[in-house]
Amino acid sequence: ELKVEQNPLFLSMQEGKNYTIYCNYSTTSDRLYWYRQDPGKSLESLFVLLSNGAVKQEGRLMASLDTKARLSTLHITAAVHDLSATYFCAVDMENYGGSQGNLIFGKGTKLSVKP
Amino acid sequence: DAGVTQSPTHLIKTRGQHVTLRCSPISGHKSVSWYQQVLGQGPQFIFQYYEKEERGRGNFPDRFSARQFPNYSSELNVNALLLGDSALYLCASSLIARGLTEAFFGQGTRLTVV
Repeated sequence: ELKVEQNPLFLSMQEGKNYTIYCNYSTTSDRLYWYRQDPGKSLESLFVLLSNGAVKQEGRLMASLDTKARLSTLHITAAVHDLSATYFCAVDMENYGGSQGNLIFGKGTKLSVKP
Repeated sequence: DAGVTQSPTHLIKTRGQHVTLRCSPISGHKSVSWYQQVLGQGPQFIFQYYEKEERGRGNFPDRFSARQFPNYSSELNVNALLLGDSALYLCASSLIARGLTEAFFGQGTRLTVV
């Protein structure tokens, strides 16, 4: 069974601190996505990681992909309150009998940044 | 540029009823996927359509069906609604290109079954 596991599922941080969210997946895939979701809202695309060793940064967020370890990380630097949201990673099912563009999501990491 | 649009945004239905949800993809995108997101969980894949053909189906009962029209818009139909069908239904639009498939999501339809 294809699994995408995120940890932690809940994360409470102080402003200014650093932390990493982990995303493990159980099949070979060279495409991994990170999304942000605010309460009651839809999914906002943050990063698309397309190859082993890919690293992308946007503001205080940096995502990386290790396809050999089947691991992606989302690193938060000097957290601010505006980053409070739920973060999802997703893997493309193309290498698991699915079709390109069919995504399997993790359960999400609910991040709360407190002053 | 208009993003992915879904209608309606909110819907309340009674158990046993039927519902139709609609999605218009980003202009130029030929792939539409549907996801169900139950409160507190990640989205679960229901269907993908590309060029009006079904390309993938998730683990959902036959009460769920979908189709894509010549203009690439899509409908998701759910028959015989159950309380457990209450969820946020998300439509994603993709430009299927070699090596890259980024999915852009609509604002969702919040379905409540009572």
